[in-house]
Amino acid sequence: GQQLNQSPQSMFIQEGEDVSMNCTSSSIFNTWLWYKQEPGEGPVLLIALYKAGELTSNGRLTAQFGITRKDSFLNISASIPSDVGIYFCAGPYTGANSKLTFGKGITLSVRP
Amino acid sequence: NAGVTQTPKFRVLKTGQSMTLLCAQDMNHEYMYWYRQDPGMGLRLIHYSVGEGTTAKGEVPDGYNVSRLKKQNFLLGLESAAPSQTSVYFCASMRWDTQYFGPGTRLTVL
Repeated sequence: GQQLNQSPQSMFIQEGEDVSMNCTSSSIFNTWLWYKQEPGEGPVLLIALYKAGELTSNGRLTAQFGITRKDSFLNISASIPSDVGIYFCAGPYTGANSKLTFGKGITLSVRP
Repeated sequence: NAGVTQTPKFRVLKTGQSMTLLCAQDMNHEYMYWYRQDPGMGLRLIHYSVGEGTTAKGEVPDGYNVSRLKKQNFLLGLESAAPSQTSVYFCASMRWDTQYFGPGTRLTVL
């Protein structure tokens, strides 16, 4: 089946640093989604990308839809302690757009 | 506009008991989903619905049943709870390939 790969599993950065994470697949996706999940909460949509090459920002977050349609990147600039959480990528199954496939997520820790 | 809501937020069951988790959305979305999330396993799809009156199995449907009698509600039932069903359950609704999640229900089965 389709898989989305996110690595590493955990990232540790210093407050104020920029961080970049990516999501890759062996399959083509027509939509890329980035979610953040904080402890005890549900995933919250950060950015949705619908077009290859698209670059979209949401405050300090910037995400890009890879031109090959097989990857996407999320950048967080000038990190702050509240950026702590798990960041998931997701996209619809090819040929079955009623379901999404999710990456396992990257746990981000920010040291003050 | 509350988005996706779930009740209850926490529940403790004994093995063999039954319960129903309720999901409601006010965004008029056709598609709704139930996931479970376990450490190291990510989000796994239990059941989903592409419209009122329809349901379909996801990747881990055993031990669960669902119903979608009204467009805005999606119910997840456990007929005879087992300790392996201890998990955090998330409901989501979807439009334009984008899913919106509820806050989750933390279920413990003793």
